[in-house]
Amino acid sequence: GQNIDQPTEMTATEGAIVQINCTYQTSGFNGLFWYQQHAGEAPTFLSYNVLDGLEEKGRFSSFLSRSKGYSYLLLKELQMKDSASYLCAVLDSNYQLIWGAGTKLIIKP
Amino acid sequence: ETGVTQTPRHLVMGMTNKKSLKCEQHLGHNAMYWYKQSAKKPLELMFVYNFKEQTENNSVPSRFSPECPNSSHLFLHLHTLQPEDSALYLCASSQDPPGSNTEAFFGQGTRLTVV
Repeated sequence: GQNIDQPTEMTATEGAIVQINCTYQTSGFNGLFWYQQHAGEAPTFLSYNVLDGLEEKGRFSSFLSRSKGYSYLLLKELQMKDSASYLCAVLDSNYQLIWGAGTKLIIKP
Repeated sequence: ETGVTQTPRHLVMGMTNKKSLKCEQHLGHNAMYWYKQSAKKPLELMFVYNFKEQTENNSVPSRFSPECPNSSHLFLHLHTLQPEDSALYLCASSQDPPGSNTEAFFGQGTRLTVV
């Protein structure tokens, strides 16, 4: 079966750095997405990786290793507004999006 | 504001009721989707419409009935639901049909409670 694993919940301190991991086992791979979802709000697109390596976008970076079936989202200089759920999703060989259950990130002052 | 609007935001319905969820996008997108989001579970794709034609129906029970009258509007008609159908129902749209890497834009969802 197809599976996306990410931690259920993480806690970090304002101003610090946090890394949210995502591992996947899917039938084929056509890219990996990260979305942010604040409580009661719509998921919003953060990043898309299809090649190995690090993509940096301001305070957020996303890394992909296709050989390891692994990605992470790195958040720097954490702010209270970064408290949200972070969803990892993989586009499989049939171009179906397979979603993880999300990681709830709690930021403490 | 993502450009995708869902109404109502909250809905409580009895198991014998009939109700409809509405989704509207004015982003000029060609593909629209219904997802179910339950607590601590992955997003479940329910239906996909591409240029107003349904292209995916992921074994969704017939008590959920989608309708796409035009490329800007999507409905989900509900009847004789079960308590386990209580969840957040998200609508999304994307510029290109499934099979591409374009991002999806989500609505804020309808929080549905079946009593």
